[in-house]
Amino acid sequence: EVQLLESGGDLVQSGGSLRLSCAASGFNFNDYDMIWVRQAPGKGLEWISYIRRVYNDVYYGDSVRGRFTVSRDNTKNSVYLQMNGLRDEDTAVYYCVRGGGDGNPSGDYWGQGTLVAVSS
Amino acid sequence: EIVLTQSPATLSLSRGDRATLSCRASQSVRSNLAWYQQRPGQAPRLLIYDASYRATGIPARFSGSGSGTDFTLIISSLEPEDFAVYFCQQRSNWPLTFGGGTKVELK
Repeated sequence: EVQLLESGGDLVQSGGSLRLSCAASGFNFNDYDMIWVRQAPGKGLEWISYIRRVYNDVYYGDSVRGRFTVSRDNTKNSVYLQMNGLRDEDTAVYYCVRGGGDGNPSGDYWGQGTLVAVSS
Repeated sequence: EIVLTQSPATLSLSRGDRATLSCRASQSVRSNLAWYQQRPGQAPRLLIYDASYRATGIPARFSGSGSGTDFTLIISSLEPEDFAVYFCQQRSNWPLTFGGGTKVELK
């Protein structure tokens, strides 16, 4: 069974930092790109970052580029999101999402999300 | 950035009704469009990818169509569990973007 388990969400002050983790299981992690998506309270979905399975190519949304860094450790089946310079508008549930790979479509599995709350 | 506009914002329907949801892109995304369903308190679930392909386990009452800039999600006969919010997402260009969502509510 495919599982994505996020952790690391917390209440943090504006300007602070936080590192989110996503532990993947039930599939060959090396064969898949990975994605972070967030959702502010009562709002829609916002794509944050994308990390490819090979060469660690990474892409970021405009709102987080330069502040957030995505990485992965294929030996630990995990993907991470380092968030620096947090702002009030970064308050959201952050979802880890399986990207494309091994013939399966991107976005087919989501974690349950982890809440990041930024206070000013 | 490609902007996705979903309409209507809210669709008030009854069980058994047909739901037609629209997603319009500000420029062509070819067939690189997905649809997601989100129920309250849950993570989104992939329904449709590449505009018209149902994801694994998705009932046949869900269908997607379109290409270029205009896309449609149809739910042929609403079941109680279908009352939720639906989002489209384009995967054609960076940054990936989502539409604002359509809420399908019980009339």
